[in-house]
Amino acid sequence: DTAVSQTPKYLVTQMGNDKSIKCEQNLGHDTMYWYKQDSKKFLKIMFSYNNKELIINETVPNRFSPKSPDKAHLNLHINSLELGDSAVYFCASSQANRGQGYTFGSGTRLTVV
Amino acid sequence: DAKTTQPPSMDCAEGRAANLPCNHSTISGNEYVYWYRQIHSQGPQYIIHGLKNNETNEMASLIITEDRKSSTLILPHATLRDTAVYYCIVRVDLTGNTGKLIFGQGTTLQVKP
Repeated sequence: DTAVSQTPKYLVTQMGNDKSIKCEQNLGHDTMYWYKQDSKKFLKIMFSYNNKELIINETVPNRFSPKSPDKAHLNLHINSLELGDSAVYFCASSQANRGQGYTFGSGTRLTVV
Repeated sequence: DAKTTQPPSMDCAEGRAANLPCNHSTISGNEYVYWYRQIHSQGPQYIIHGLKNNETNEMASLIITEDRKSSTLILPHATLRDTAVYYCIVRVDLTGNTGKLIFGQGTTLQVKP
């Protein structure tokens, strides 16, 4: 059983399209995150939800909208995709007690052409 | 946000101990130090974390200086599969018990036969 699973693993799409990436965790964690890793391999946090409530919203274009239907899911919807959105997107989860580790998914490689 | 400084790259001979240093001189008294690694383009993998005391688990040991301004991750017997980018992170506390991990550039560890 994969602890944090993301779908799809690869996504190739044209500029201007709208796409979604799904994330599910079966660890019983109450906090989930989205990170973006660009071509320079720099990992940057985008969003975080704790018990379905948005707690982190970094400087991300409003074309990106996270949605958390329940504690086990955090989806990322991207409108009007741009070339610069090409990156690997990682989902992660944790239990919101100080000192707990984060578990990351295997990533979704998004390529905008 | 507390920042970390790591050497960009290190080499280690297979079977020898790998000692990865990290400086975090602006760390606050209640902030944890985390270590993660990323192999190729896989999702970051949790290694270990600590607050004040030295910690050891099945993967590694973490040595934190008494003033908490620096730490060292020790892989006791490095193997070729330990070749990865290693990230030293100070967890930023948010409201309640939530927090966020801010990744730096990390240290690329190359284990050589």
